Amino acid sequence: KAGVTQTPRYLIKTRGQQVTLSCSPISGHRSVSWYQQTPGQGLQFLFEYFSETQRNKGNFPGRFSGRQFSNSRSEMNVSTLELGDSALYLCASSLPSGGAEETQYFGPGTRLLVL
Amino acid sequence: DAKTTQPPSMDCAEGRAANLPCNHSTISGNEYVYWYRQIHSQGPQYIIHGLKNNETNEMASLIITEDRKSSTLILPHATLRDTAVYYCIVKRAGGTSYGKLTFGQGTILTVHP
Repeated sequence: KAGVTQTPRYLIKTRGQQVTLSCSPISGHRSVSWYQQTPGQGLQFLFEYFSETQRNKGNFPGRFSGRQFSNSRSEMNVSTLELGDSALYLCASSLPSGGAEETQYFGPGTRLLVL
Repeated sequence: DAKTTQPPSMDCAEGRAANLPCNHSTISGNEYVYWYRQIHSQGPQYIIHGLKNNETNEMASLIITEDRKSSTLILPHATLRDTAVYYCIVKRAGGTSYGKLTFGQGTILTVHP
């Protein structure tokens, strides 16, 4: 079974621009979570989507948004990019849990550089 | 979700067992212990998880103390490819924890030839 895929793998943008990152979960997985990883803050949770609905959200400004499609694929968008948004953006998928444990499987990430 | 404490770094000789400790003294009864690792600049890789009982899979073993306040991840025969940052995470299923893993600083494991 194919793993989580993320596109693009690398991206360079300039301040003020916006960016859209894409994530395709493992087949059959319906929950998609997004994380930001920076050297200073480590791995931080952005948000989680399940059945096209955002169920949970981390402590990030409104410039960070996401959505999920009916096929469980997800996109995240960052508007008005700042230098501090340079990071590795990771997507993880999991099966619906119904309250049981939710093991997440991560993609390779998209490395974003903001100049 | 409960907070975890891990040593910042550990060394291990190739071929020997690597035992990575994790303290989670405030863990609740419905919280799971997860272990992930991250090799430089790659996405975190799931290793193993457990609730109460010890668990083993093809990658590692997880030993959880009876009071559940600490656990140990065991890599039975470490190789150079096991050099990575290892994260111990405690997570409650569902509710406000939907889809959220809280990563700490982890333990940098270096396997030496």
